[in-house]
Amino acid sequence: NAGVTQTPKFQVLKTGQSMTLQCAQDMNHEYMSWYRQDPGMGLRLIHYSVGAGITDQGEVPNGYNVSRSTTEDFPLRLLSAAPSQTSVYFCASKPRQGNTEAFFGQGTRLTVV
Amino acid sequence: GQQLNQSPQSMFIQEGEDVSMNCTSSSIFNTWLWYKQDPGEGPVLLIALYKAGELTSNGRLTAQFGITRKDSFLNISASIPSDVGIYFCAGLGAGGTSYGKLTFGQGTILTVHP
Repeated sequence: NAGVTQTPKFQVLKTGQSMTLQCAQDMNHEYMSWYRQDPGMGLRLIHYSVGAGITDQGEVPNGYNVSRSTTEDFPLRLLSAAPSQTSVYFCASKPRQGNTEAFFGQGTRLTVV
Repeated sequence: GQQLNQSPQSMFIQEGEDVSMNCTSSSIFNTWLWYKQDPGEGPVLLIALYKAGELTSNGRLTAQFGITRKDSFLNISASIPSDVGIYFCAGLGAGGTSYGKLTFGQGTILTVHP
């Protein structure tokens, strides 16, 4: 079972470049989210979606855009990368109903120089 | 927003020792989750707690959901080298705009010396 798949695993960007981090899940989960992980700060929520066509901001949304055109995919866009966005990014999915665990992808390590 | 305080931030222990870490919150959660993250991987669920006061074990791991719904602890007994990693607590929102949202603690970095 694929679960949650993130691509790419590693990326280096120059300041000002744009890129999209991909996330796909095959578990038919309604709820998908993006986190960034920085040393000593745990995982912080960037954006989330409770279903196709619905997105909302998390704790640290500035500099990031998302869209949810299908249940399976939830891409994260950096329109103009900044060094402060150097981080490890995780996508997660879970069923919308019930207090259930979230399943995580393997992460994308992004460096902005 | 909701805040989770996880402690300790790091632990250096000898193989065979027991480990304890905890999380406290200013808000109530419906569910507490404990995740482990290995290097280069995403977090993987260890234990889920769904009810205030619940005490759950999974092998050498034991976790409890605090009575006030604002805290949880994780114990690891007889640690082994493969316990090395980062442990995160996470609380699942209780309702309203927080429903379904996971809030994470800062993580506990565990190092086990053979």
